[in-house]
Amino acid sequence: GQQVMQIPQYQHVQEGEDFTTYCNSSTTLSNIQWYKQRPGGHPVFLIQLVKSGEVKKQKRLTFQFGEAKKNSSLHITATQTTDVGTYFCAGITSGTYKYIFGTGTRLKVLA
Amino acid sequence: NAGVTQTPKFQVLKTGQSMTLQCAQDMNHEYMSWYRQDPGMGLRLIHYSVGAGITDQGEVPNGYNVSRSTTEDFPLRLLSAAPSQTSVYFCASRTGIKNTEAFFGQGTRLTVV
Repeated sequence: GQQVMQIPQYQHVQEGEDFTTYCNSSTTLSNIQWYKQRPGGHPVFLIQLVKSGEVKKQKRLTFQFGEAKKNSSLHITATQTTDVGTYFCAGITSGTYKYIFGTGTRLKVLA
Repeated sequence: NAGVTQTPKFQVLKTGQSMTLQCAQDMNHEYMSWYRQDPGMGLRLIHYSVGAGITDQGEVPNGYNVSRSTTEDFPLRLLSAAPSQTSVYFCASRTGIKNTEAFFGQGTRLTVV
């Protein structure tokens, strides 16, 4: 079945450093979505990418969708303490109705 | 708008007991799903529904039943609770199947002893 892995599982950074999490799917995806979950909270939608090679930016966050539509990345420039949380990617394979989430990357930012 | 409402927020069960986790949404969303979250394993899909009267299995359906008699409600039933079902459970809804964001409930923290 479809599997979505994320690396790294954990990342500790000093405030102001950059951070990147990578998402890899075993199958080609129709789209990729990214979510953020604050400690003790629920996942909240950040963005969706649909096209091969697509790049989108949200302030300090840059999202990429791979050319083969099997991988994606989220890059945060100059992290802040408000970036703390777990970041999940999620995608759906064409012909299925199952949104599969990645294993998540937990980010800690040290002030 | 309340969005997606899950009840209860916390629950402790004894092994072998059954219970139902409730999920209701007031956004008229067609697509609803249940996930469980365990450390290091992300969010795993248990069951999902693409509309009233239609349900299907996700990645980890064993030990769980669902039904979708109305658009608004999507309860998750644990038939005979086991310690391996100790987890945080999230219900989510989407407008439709493709290219739609998920709205999550606040979660239910379930402990099976």
